[in-house]
Amino acid sequence: DTEVTQTPKHLVMGMTNKKSLKCEQHMGHRAMYWYKQKAKKPPELMFVYSYEKLSINESVPSRFSPECPNSSLLNLHLHALQPEDSALYLCASSQETTVNYGYTFGSGTRLTVV
Amino acid sequence: GENVEQHPSTLSVQEGDSAVIKCTYSDSASNYFPWYKQELGKRPQLIIDIRSNVGEKKDQRIAVTLNKTAKHFSLHITETQPEDSAVYFCAASGRGSTLGRLYFGRGTQLTVWP
Repeated sequence: DTEVTQTPKHLVMGMTNKKSLKCEQHMGHRAMYWYKQKAKKPPELMFVYSYEKLSINESVPSRFSPECPNSSLLNLHLHALQPEDSALYLCASSQETTVNYGYTFGSGTRLTVV
Repeated sequence: GENVEQHPSTLSVQEGDSAVIKCTYSDSASNYFPWYKQELGKRPQLIIDIRSNVGEKKDQRIAVTLNKTAKHFSLHITETQPEDSAVYFCAASGRGSTLGRLYFGRGTQLTVWP
């Protein structure tokens, strides 16, 4: 299995809703990432998990809460989002963070906040 | 942190011609430089990468060159085809506490006309 699987593919949520994005990989990668991408822009880093521990938080608002239950799973919990949070949320994984490796990106969750 | 500049922002070529996209980076300690291709509505996909101990790498029609002294690297696509049309992102690695993090350029929209 050489893929990163993200669910759901599309999500529409109101500003008072709570939802979660899920990401799964079975490549044995020990680094997992959440990126946010707006149209025609590069991906922006949100969080990095290394060996299931949060290693980088790019000053992301607390309405985004990451969780790494095990080495294969990464969640992003969403609460009280704003319309400007609408974007494509990409999960990625790499072998580890002690040496730089290329990422494998998931297909993303297209989030719309109404 | 690292700063990656990418040029041009748009590039149009005739099928069969070559395309070159250039990136510069600011941190001389960066040692890993991947290139991603993102088709409309799809995930970024790693197409080629290069490490700082190598000056050039080739994979069929795609090549990447790295000039560490000048801190720039380039993507070369030969014999372009319409299916090469996409947004291409260059990236450079982080170091120290940001190891594992990639810093992305702003992207180049490549259009190949049949």
